Amino acid sequence: GAGVSQSPRYKVAKRGQDVALRCDPISGHVSLFWYQQALGQGPEFLTYFQNEAQLDKSGLPSDRFFAERPEGSVSTLKIQRTQQEDSAVYLCASSLAEGNQPQHFGDGTRLSIL
Amino acid sequence: GENVEQHPSTLSVQEGDSAVIKCTYSDSASNYFPWYKQELGKRPQLIIDIRSNVGEKKDQRIAVTLNKTAKHFSLHITETQPEDSAVYFCAASPDTPLVFGKGTRLSVIA
Repeated sequence: GAGVSQSPRYKVAKRGQDVALRCDPISGHVSLFWYQQALGQGPEFLTYFQNEAQLDKSGLPSDRFFAERPEGSVSTLKIQRTQQEDSAVYLCASSLAEGNQPQHFGDGTRLSIL
Repeated sequence: GENVEQHPSTLSVQEGDSAVIKCTYSDSASNYFPWYKQELGKRPQLIIDIRSNVGEKKDQRIAVTLNKTAKHFSLHITETQPEDSAVYFCAASPDTPLVFGKGTRLSVIA
């Protein structure tokens, strides 16, 4: 596609429910990143894939957060037993190659936990 | 780990004036410094980036300078226009994930 695509754009869930957020990176991009952006703050790193390999998950806040990219393209970020503090915009970014390359962001998924 | 400080948090300028946003970083291993523009409800857009082997880079009205010794880098926007109004984020990267500053809300007053 022309850019990074994320779905859904908005997700409302009740506390305790599980949610799944999807990211379609730019075609051919090797690296894929998930960031969390709280209101009025900069994006904060969650996890990073190079092809299908999850190379860094040090930013995931708890074991309720899980991400996968099984075929090296589309990625899913799953949050189990959601809590109110999980409310944020979840941004996905991709870059063409490994290493420090320009990262291109999607529009994000705004998650609201009631 | 890396820590990025960004100043000011808000900035108002008259149309046509220049705007300068400054960032400092802590990890001397950082070697890549992008700047993103984010309009309300939209995705962060990469506007310019610089690598540690370069001291300055310019693209039309936008320029970035890097001082590796002092560990700071700055974004300069000249001849500001109302459409430059947005939140700007700096970032630094010692490895691959980016570490972002808290952002600067720039308002260009016509």
